[in-house]
Amino acid sequence: DQQVKQNSPSLSVQEGRISILNCDYTNSMFDYFLWYKKYPAEGPTFLISISSIKDKNEDGRFTVFLNKSAKHLSLHIVPSQPGDSAVYFCAASGPTTDSWGKLQFGAGTQVVVTP
Amino acid sequence: ETGVTQSPTHLIKTRGQQVTLRCSSQSGHNTVSWYQQALGQGPQFIFQYYREEENGRGNFPPRFSGLQFPNYSSELNVNALELDDSALYLCASSLVGGMKTQYFGPGTRLLVL
Repeated sequence: DQQVKQNSPSLSVQEGRISILNCDYTNSMFDYFLWYKKYPAEGPTFLISISSIKDKNEDGRFTVFLNKSAKHLSLHIVPSQPGDSAVYFCAASGPTTDSWGKLQFGAGTQVVVTP
Repeated sequence: ETGVTQSPTHLIKTRGQQVTLRCSSQSGHNTVSWYQQALGQGPQFIFQYYREEENGRGNFPPRFSGLQFPNYSSELNVNALELDDSALYLCASSLVGGMKTQYFGPGTRLLVL
């Protein structure tokens, strides 16, 4: 049962332009969402998160938007840089103590930033 | 501050064997979670350990078991290895108490032949 979905397996963007990554979820109990970046042969690196009480969170070049009614979140990277080329995972967590340890991940989006 | 470390980095086993993977949590973190990432997929939650006890489990059979030690390091044990167990195994640590962000190690790549 895939509760977190990233429907775009890949994204190609020019250096300096905006990258927009999308993520949809089905479980309305999710209340915390995270984005991770993963390079080959490394573990996922935490990028940015958002609580369900907010609809936007910014950190430098990264902004995450949350639309609870649509069960949709997106990650914007502005401007895109060559070092941003990686696989990006969306993850979600529920509110109960039992869910704290369980992050549910999407399948990832491979981003390639071209010169 | 020391990040999450895992050992070994790579491992090759044959079907039916047993394997132990190790993880040291990030300094100050007392909760460890294990994930399995198959090729082309996102990480799948196996289980979490807090205060040396299992604190939540995903949809994995009992032949996947774990331990957490007083220094918060952890082991993942897999018995009776199957070909489908070939994957990247990730360990993540976090501070319990409302902190939901998990920090991942580099992973152990397991190949079962």
